[in-house]
Amino acid sequence: EIVLTQSPATLSLSPGERATLSCRASQSVSSYLAWYQQKLGQAPRLLIYDASNRATGIPARFSGSGSGTDFTLTISSLEPEDFAVYYCQHRSNWPITFGPGTTVDIK
Amino acid sequence: QVQLQESGPGLVKPSETLSLTCTVSGGSISGSTYYWGWIRQPPGKGLEWIGSIFYSGTTYDNPSLKSRVTISVDTSKNQFSLKLSSVTAADTAVYYCARSKARNFDYWGQGTLVTVSS
Repeated sequence: EIVLTQSPATLSLSPGERATLSCRASQSVSSYLAWYQQKLGQAPRLLIYDASNRATGIPARFSGSGSGTDFTLTISSLEPEDFAVYYCQHRSNWPITFGPGTTVDIK
Repeated sequence: QVQLQESGPGLVKPSETLSLTCTVSGGSISGSTYYWGWIRQPPGKGLEWIGSIFYSGTTYDNPSLKSRVTISVDTSKNQFSLKLSSVTAADTAVYYCARSKARNFDYWGQGTLVTVSS
């Protein structure tokens, strides 16, 4: 099973600031890494798939990069609605696994 | 617009079997492009993939659940289902059903809380 770790656990920032979230895999997942956003009481929403592709309807301020074992989700300028928990997930093989999440909260 | 809706008991007794159904609307479950999956989230914790099924009945499930999982599909009703046997308090969670395209989950149900308690 591929283990995903995310850092930091919590990121405290102000609206308008840049957010940089990290996800590291215990072995290479090639580019098969996705990012999800989850707000309190809601289901997760797919943001990025295959490391760098934005899902349908996702604003351009969200971008993803990386390959192999190290990946980054960047939010270029935080909007009030972006304060949430972010999870990474690999699809390299079965079983699918998720990272533990990074909480982006308001400073 | 594809929509998914979970249904089933919100309370299950320890050692019994948890049973949930996901009804898909706005699209056919029989399409060859998609898998259909179950993911859960214990209160205050992260996401755990439970398993996925193809319309043909091919399934994959999480080995960490030690063969307690059964996932089935009913194409005539556009539904798929989850059974989790021998539940304990550790199985208390919000259970989500979701559509999976190339093993990314692009549409999700709203989730249903299942509590395991006597």
